[in-house]
Amino acid sequence: EIVLTQSPGTLSLSPGERATLSCRASQSVSGSYLAWHQQRPGQAPRLLIYGASSRAAGIPDRFSGSGSDTDFTLTISRLEPEDFAVYYCQQYGGSPPYTFGQGTKLDIK
Amino acid sequence: QVQLVESGGGVVQPGRSLRLSCAASGFTFSSYGMHWVRKAPGKGLEWVAVIWYDGSNKYYADSVKGRFTISRDNSKNTVYLQVNSLRVEDTAIYYCARGPHVAVVTAIDYWGQGTLVTVSS
Repeated sequence: EIVLTQSPGTLSLSPGERATLSCRASQSVSGSYLAWHQQRPGQAPRLLIYGASSRAAGIPDRFSGSGSDTDFTLTISRLEPEDFAVYYCQQYGGSPPYTFGQGTKLDIK
Repeated sequence: QVQLVESGGGVVQPGRSLRLSCAASGFTFSSYGMHWVRKAPGKGLEWVAVIWYDGSNKYYADSVKGRFTISRDNSKNTVYLQVNSLRVEDTAIYYCARGPHVAVVTAIDYWGQGTLVTVSS
């Protein structure tokens, strides 16, 4: 089973700042099948990034993903008020289980 | 547009069972695998199970293996999660989500709104 470790656990920033979230895998993620999901309070999650770096439909270009093998990053270039939420990485390549990271909470400073 | 609507949650005593349902619309259901994912209070997302587009393969998280069963009815565009021998730690919002396409590996790209399961005596 691939274990995903996200850091930091909580990130406190102000609107307009840049956010960098990390996701590290315990073994190589095949095919860079790594996704990022956002969950706002009281809402269902939504897909932001798939294939490590491809934005899902309708996702603003301030969101970008990068990385490969075991190290992945989600960057939000300029934070908007609606971006303060919890972010999860998930690997979906190879055989299940398709594990999630424990999440990074993005807080307003 | 893609819609996933879960139902079947509720309050149940430890050891009892429930069947969760997820009705899908807006896409060719029989071409996609489907996942169940849960979120317990104060915790993160936990992947629970996946079923292939044709029901030929099913996989489970270790935490639910032997107690939960995923199934689907492509004639009804519905995926199910039978949850047996419920424990207090199974208390969570259960989401269904669209998963791997028949032809290519795809991420979860659509989520339902979830159904709440509370296990309490």
